[in-house]
Amino acid sequence: EIVLTQSPATLSLSPGERATLSCRASQSVSSYLAWYQQKPGQAPRLLIYDASNRATGIPARFSGSGSGTDFTLTISSLEPEDFAVYYCQQRSNWPPEYTFGQGTKLEIK
Amino acid sequence: QLQLQESGPGLVKPSETLSLTCTVSGGSISSSSYYWGWIRQPPGKGLEWIGSIYYSGSTYYNPSLKSRVTISVDTSKNQFSLKLSSVTAADTAVYYCIYSNDAFDIWGQGTMVTVSS
Repeated sequence: EIVLTQSPATLSLSPGERATLSCRASQSVSSYLAWYQQKPGQAPRLLIYDASNRATGIPARFSGSGSGTDFTLTISSLEPEDFAVYYCQQRSNWPPEYTFGQGTKLEIK
Repeated sequence: QLQLQESGPGLVKPSETLSLTCTVSGGSISSSSYYWGWIRQPPGKGLEWIGSIYYSGSTYYNPSLKSRVTISVDTSKNQFSLKLSSVTAADTAVYYCIYSNDAFDIWGQGTMVTVSS
């Protein structure tokens, strides 16, 4: 099983600042890496798929990068609505299996 | 726009079978190249993939749950379902049904299932 480790566990920033969230895989996942945002009481929302592609309707301030084992989600300038928990997720090639990271909580400083 | 809605009992007794249904609206469940599935989230914890079913009918399950899980599709009702047998308190969670194309693209709102006698 591929294990995803997210860091930091909690990130405290102010609106307008830049956020950098990390996700490291225990073995290569190629570019099969996605990022989700979850707010309290809500279902997660897909932000980024295949490491760097923004999902439909996702603002341009969200960007993803990386390949292999190291991935980054960057929020260029935080808006008040961006404070939430963020999860990364990978898909193994065959058979299809999916695992999530443990999450990074982005909180207002 | 595609929408998903989970339904089923909110309380299940230990050792029984948890059964949930996901109703798809705004699109056909039998469209090719997509797949459907279930993810769960215990209270205050992270996300766990349960399994997926492809448009071809092939199913893939989380190895840790495989012996207890069945996912199936009912194209006549535009629904797919989850059955999880021999539940324990550890199966208490919010269960989400999902539609996958690029990743887990669309999620239902989730339904809380508590395992308790």
